[in-house]
Amino acid sequence: GEDVEQSLFLSVREGDSSVINCTYTDSSSTYLYWYKQEPGAGLQLLTYIFSNMDMKQDQRLTVLLNKKDKHLSLRIADTQTGDSAIYFCAERDAGTALIFGKGTTLSVSS
Amino acid sequence: NAGVTQTPKFQVLKTGQSMTLQCAQDMNHNSMYWYRQDPGMGLRLIYYSASEGTTDKGEVPNGYNVSRLNKREFSLRLESAAPSQTSVYFCASSEEGWAENYGYTFGSGTRLTVV
Repeated sequence: GEDVEQSLFLSVREGDSSVINCTYTDSSSTYLYWYKQEPGAGLQLLTYIFSNMDMKQDQRLTVLLNKKDKHLSLRIADTQTGDSAIYFCAERDAGTALIFGKGTTLSVSS
Repeated sequence: NAGVTQTPKFQVLKTGQSMTLQCAQDMNHNSMYWYRQDPGMGLRLIYYSASEGTTDKGEVPNGYNVSRLNKREFSLRLESAAPSQTSVYFCASSEEGWAENYGYTFGSGTRLTVV
């Protein structure tokens, strides 16, 4: 079945760039997503990329997609303490439900 | 503009008790979902409803039942709660359609403890 893998933790200093990586297995995925979860809250959609794109930029966020290697990354430029959260990668499977990775906890120190 | 509303926010149950988690959305979305979130496990799909009148099992449906009461509401029932069902439960909704992106809108979650 489909699977989405992420590293569990990332620690960076304020002002540095953060790169969160994700691999997925379903080559038929149409869209891939990044969600952010702050403590005690639900998930918020950060950004998404269509499978025929290589890159998408949205202010401080850059999403890179390597479809050949089934690798997705999220780069956060000038990381701030407010970016500390859990980041989930997700893909759309053959049905209608998203498949989520286990999440990467980003810790930003000042 | 409430989005997805879940009730209750917190609940403690004794083993064997039953309860229903409520979810309602006001965005006229066709599809609704129930996920559970456990430490180190990410989000796992319990059940989903692609449209009013239909429901389908997800990855971890055992011990749960669902009802798509109408287009707005999708409830999750635990008939006989077990400690393994201690978790944070999230409801989500989305538009449908293969030709366009549709991200999910999540509720704020129900934190359930079964003792």
